[in-house]
Amino acid sequence: AQKVTQAQTEISVVEKEDVTLDCVYETRDTTYYLFWYKQPPSGELVFLIRRNSFDEQNEISGRYSWNFQKSTSSFNFTITASQVVDSAVYFCALAKDRGSTLGRLYFGRGTQLTVWP
Amino acid sequence: DADVTQTPRNRITKTGKRIMLECSQTKGHDRMYWYRQDPGLGLRLIYYSFDVKDINKGEISDGYSVSRQAQAKFSLSLESAIPNQTALYFCATSDLSGPNTGELFFGEGSRLTVL
Repeated sequence: AQKVTQAQTEISVVEKEDVTLDCVYETRDTTYYLFWYKQPPSGELVFLIRRNSFDEQNEISGRYSWNFQKSTSSFNFTITASQVVDSAVYFCALAKDRGSTLGRLYFGRGTQLTVWP
Repeated sequence: DADVTQTPRNRITKTGKRIMLECSQTKGHDRMYWYRQDPGLGLRLIYYSFDVKDINKGEISDGYSVSRQAQAKFSLSLESAIPNQTALYFCATSDLSGPNTGELFFGEGSRLTVL
Protein backbone atom coordinates (compact mmCIF):
# COMPACT_ATOMS: atom_id res chain seq x y z
CA ALA A 1 0.00 0.00 0.00
CA GLN A 2 1.06 3.54 -0.65
CA LYS A 3 1.00 6.16 2.08
CA VAL A 4 2.30 9.67 2.48
CA THR A 5 2.60 11.36 5.85
CA GLN A 6 3.02 15.06 6.35
CA ALA A 7 3.22 15.31 10.11
CA GLN A 8 3.29 19.11 10.18
CA THR A 9 -0.27 20.35 9.86
CA GLU A 10 0.58 24.02 10.16
CA ILE A 11 3.82 25.99 10.21
CA SER A 12 4.20 29.71 10.83
CA VAL A 13 7.40 31.61 10.17
CA VAL A 14 8.45 35.19 9.82
CA GLU A 15 9.61 36.42 6.45
CA LYS A 16 13.24 35.61 5.57
CA GLU A 17 13.32 32.57 7.85
CA ASP A 18 14.17 29.21 6.35
CA VAL A 19 11.52 26.52 6.69
CA THR A 20 11.50 22.79 6.02
CA LEU A 21 8.37 20.82 5.24
CA ASP A 22 8.62 17.14 6.05
CA CYS A 23 7.32 14.27 3.95
CA VAL A 24 7.61 10.59 4.80
CA TYR A 25 6.28 7.94 2.47
CA GLU A 26 5.58 4.23 2.49
CA THR A 27 5.64 1.94 -0.50
CA ARG A 28 6.61 -1.61 -1.31
CA ASP A 29 7.55 -0.66 -4.84
CA THR A 30 11.19 -0.38 -5.76
CA THR A 31 10.53 2.34 -8.31
CA TYR A 32 8.18 5.23 -7.80
CA TYR A 33 7.78 8.96 -8.22
CA LEU A 34 7.55 11.63 -5.56
CA PHE A 35 5.98 15.04 -6.04
CA TRP A 36 5.43 18.32 -4.31
CA TYR A 37 2.48 20.55 -5.16
CA LYS A 38 1.67 24.02 -3.88
CA GLN A 39 -1.86 25.30 -3.30
CA PRO A 40 -1.93 29.08 -2.77
CA PRO A 41 -4.98 30.79 -1.25
CA SER A 42 -6.48 31.13 -4.73
CA GLY A 43 -6.97 27.35 -4.69
CA GLU A 44 -5.23 26.03 -7.78
CA LEU A 45 -2.66 23.26 -7.52
CA VAL A 46 0.78 24.20 -8.72
CA PHE A 47 3.32 21.52 -9.60
CA LEU A 48 6.72 22.09 -7.97
CA ILE A 49 8.82 19.00 -8.52
CA ARG A 50 8.82 15.36 -9.59
CA ARG A 51 11.55 13.01 -8.43
CA ASN A 52 12.14 9.46 -9.66
CA SER A 53 13.17 6.99 -7.00
CA PHE A 54 16.32 6.20 -8.95
CA ASP A 55 17.58 9.73 -8.55
CA GLU A 56 18.61 10.54 -5.01
CA GLN A 57 20.38 13.74 -5.86
CA ASN A 58 19.12 16.74 -4.02
CA GLU A 59 17.70 19.49 -6.14
CA ILE A 60 17.75 23.24 -5.82
CA SER A 61 15.56 25.65 -7.71
CA GLY A 62 16.02 29.22 -6.60
CA ARG A 63 14.91 29.44 -2.98
CA TYR A 64 13.47 25.93 -3.09
CA SER A 65 15.43 22.77 -2.37
CA TRP A 66 14.47 19.14 -1.93
CA ASN A 67 16.21 16.45 0.09
CA PHE A 68 15.36 12.91 -1.01
CA GLN A 69 16.60 10.10 1.23
CA LYS A 70 15.50 6.57 0.38
CA SER A 71 17.09 5.22 3.55
CA THR A 72 14.58 7.12 5.65
CA SER A 73 11.78 7.23 3.03
CA SER A 74 11.72 10.98 3.21
CA PHE A 75 11.39 13.74 0.63
CA ASN A 76 11.67 17.01 2.50
CA PHE A 77 11.19 20.46 1.04
CA THR A 78 13.06 23.54 2.21
CA ILE A 79 12.26 27.13 1.41
CA THR A 80 15.16 29.47 2.03
CA ALA A 81 14.53 33.09 2.97
CA SER A 82 10.77 32.61 2.97
CA GLN A 83 8.48 35.28 1.57
CA VAL A 84 4.86 36.13 2.20
CA VAL A 85 4.00 34.78 -1.26
CA ASP A 86 5.16 31.35 -0.11
CA SER A 87 2.11 31.16 2.15
CA ALA A 88 0.16 28.17 0.88
CA VAL A 89 -0.74 24.59 1.53
CA TYR A 90 1.96 22.24 0.32
CA PHE A 91 1.23 18.65 -0.62
CA CYS A 92 3.64 15.79 -0.96
CA ALA A 93 2.51 12.90 -3.16
CA LEU A 94 3.64 9.45 -4.25
CA ALA A 95 2.96 7.59 -7.50
CA LYS A 96 3.78 4.14 -8.76
CA ASP A 97 6.30 4.02 -11.54
CA ARG A 98 4.59 1.42 -13.63
CA GLY A 99 1.59 -0.80 -13.92
CA SER A 100 -2.09 -0.12 -14.13
CA THR A 101 -2.07 2.66 -11.56
CA LEU A 102 0.69 4.74 -13.12
CA GLY A 103 -0.30 8.36 -12.76
CA ARG A 104 -2.51 7.81 -9.74
CA LEU A 105 -1.11 9.94 -6.95
CA TYR A 106 -1.36 9.31 -3.24
CA PHE A 107 -1.37 12.59 -1.39
CA GLY A 108 -0.37 13.55 2.10
CA ARG A 109 -2.80 15.71 4.05
CA GLY A 110 -0.81 18.83 3.38
CA THR A 111 1.09 21.40 5.42
CA GLN A 112 -0.31 24.90 5.76
CA LEU A 113 2.60 27.33 5.66
CA THR A 114 2.02 30.89 6.78
CA VAL A 115 4.76 33.43 6.29
CA TRP A 116 4.28 36.63 8.27
CA PRO A 117 5.75 39.93 7.14
CA ASP B 1 -6.58 29.11 -21.97
CA ALA B 2 -6.19 26.42 -19.36
CA ASP B 3 -5.22 22.93 -20.53
CA VAL B 4 -7.68 21.36 -18.09
CA THR B 5 -10.97 23.20 -17.71
CA GLN B 6 -13.61 22.56 -15.10
CA THR B 7 -17.17 23.85 -15.07
CA PRO B 8 -18.77 25.16 -13.01
CA ARG B 9 -16.10 26.77 -10.85
CA ASN B 10 -18.54 27.37 -8.04
CA ARG B 11 -21.89 25.81 -7.36
CA ILE B 12 -24.36 25.96 -4.51
CA THR B 13 -27.08 23.36 -4.51
CA LYS B 14 -29.60 21.79 -2.18
CA THR B 15 -29.70 18.37 -0.62
CA GLY B 16 -31.17 15.79 -2.96
CA LYS B 17 -30.41 17.66 -6.17
CA ARG B 18 -28.48 16.10 -9.03
CA ILE B 19 -25.31 17.93 -9.92
CA MET B 20 -22.76 17.41 -12.65
CA LEU B 21 -19.22 18.70 -12.73
CA GLU B 22 -17.61 18.74 -16.13
CA CYS B 23 -13.98 18.52 -17.15
CA SER B 24 -12.39 18.94 -20.53
CA GLN B 25 -8.73 18.84 -21.50
CA THR B 26 -6.61 19.81 -24.44
CA LYS B 27 -3.46 17.97 -23.38
CA GLY B 28 -4.28 14.83 -25.34
CA HIS B 29 -3.84 12.63 -22.28
CA ASP B 30 -5.65 9.32 -22.05
CA ARG B 31 -5.82 9.25 -18.27
CA MET B 32 -8.21 11.46 -16.34
CA TYR B 33 -9.05 11.67 -12.66
CA TRP B 34 -11.48 13.22 -10.23
CA TYR B 35 -10.16 14.13 -6.80
CA ARG B 36 -11.92 15.62 -3.83
CA GLN B 37 -10.24 17.96 -1.34
CA ASP B 38 -11.46 18.51 2.19
CA PRO B 39 -9.62 20.70 4.69
CA GLY B 40 -7.02 18.68 6.59
CA LEU B 41 -7.58 15.56 4.52
CA GLY B 42 -5.57 16.28 1.42
CA LEU B 43 -6.78 15.05 -1.94
CA ARG B 44 -8.64 11.79 -2.25
CA LEU B 45 -9.34 9.96 -5.47
CA ILE B 46 -12.97 9.49 -6.46
CA TYR B 47 -12.76 7.91 -9.91
CA TYR B 48 -10.21 7.57 -12.65
CA SER B 49 -10.31 6.60 -16.30
CA PHE B 50 -7.50 5.20 -18.42
CA ASP B 51 -9.40 5.65 -21.66
CA VAL B 52 -12.94 6.06 -22.94
CA LYS B 53 -13.81 2.44 -22.24
CA ASP B 54 -12.11 2.15 -18.88
CA ILE B 55 -13.52 3.56 -15.63
CA ASN B 56 -12.20 2.71 -12.18
CA LYS B 57 -13.32 3.49 -8.66
CA GLY B 58 -10.98 5.34 -6.37
CA GLU B 59 -10.93 5.56 -2.60
CA ILE B 60 -14.23 7.37 -2.10
CA SER B 61 -16.54 6.57 -5.02
CA ASP B 62 -19.75 6.03 -3.03
CA GLY B 63 -22.35 8.65 -3.92
CA TYR B 64 -20.61 9.57 -7.16
CA SER B 65 -20.68 8.42 -10.76
CA VAL B 66 -18.65 9.40 -13.80
CA SER B 67 -18.91 9.45 -17.55
CA ARG B 68 -16.04 9.53 -20.04
CA GLN B 69 -17.75 10.95 -23.08
CA ALA B 70 -14.59 11.31 -25.12
CA GLN B 71 -10.86 11.29 -24.62
CA ALA B 72 -11.04 14.94 -23.72
CA LYS B 73 -14.10 14.91 -21.47
CA PHE B 74 -14.70 13.36 -18.06
CA SER B 75 -17.77 14.28 -16.00
CA LEU B 76 -18.50 13.67 -12.34
CA SER B 77 -22.10 13.36 -11.15
CA LEU B 78 -23.67 13.47 -7.74
CA GLU B 79 -27.05 11.79 -8.23
CA SER B 80 -28.50 13.04 -4.97
CA ALA B 81 -26.23 15.56 -3.31
CA ILE B 82 -25.80 15.56 0.45
CA PRO B 83 -24.12 18.17 2.68
CA ASN B 84 -21.01 16.07 3.39
CA GLN B 85 -20.24 16.22 -0.31
CA THR B 86 -19.46 19.89 0.14
CA ALA B 87 -15.85 20.10 -0.99
CA LEU B 88 -13.41 21.33 -3.59
CA TYR B 89 -13.29 19.00 -6.58
CA PHE B 90 -10.36 18.71 -8.94
CA CYS B 91 -10.14 17.11 -12.34
CA ALA B 92 -6.69 16.03 -13.49
CA THR B 93 -4.98 14.35 -16.40
CA SER B 94 -1.74 12.44 -16.72
CA ASP B 95 0.55 11.09 -19.38
CA LEU B 96 2.19 7.70 -19.51
CA SER B 97 5.43 8.70 -21.11
CA GLY B 98 7.76 11.57 -21.75
CA PRO B 99 9.29 14.07 -19.36
CA ASN B 100 6.08 14.48 -17.41
CA THR B 101 5.41 10.82 -16.77
CA GLY B 102 3.25 10.32 -13.72
CA GLU B 103 2.67 14.02 -13.15
CA LEU B 104 -0.89 15.17 -12.69
CA PHE B 105 -2.11 18.27 -14.50
CA PHE B 106 -4.96 19.80 -12.55
CA GLY B 107 -7.91 21.91 -13.45
CA GLU B 108 -8.63 25.00 -11.40
CA GLY B 109 -11.10 23.24 -9.15
CA SER B 110 -14.86 23.30 -8.67
CA ARG B 111 -16.12 24.41 -5.30
CA LEU B 112 -19.39 22.67 -4.46
CA THR B 113 -21.60 23.60 -1.53
CA VAL B 114 -24.56 21.39 -0.66
CA LEU B 115 -27.06 23.03 1.67
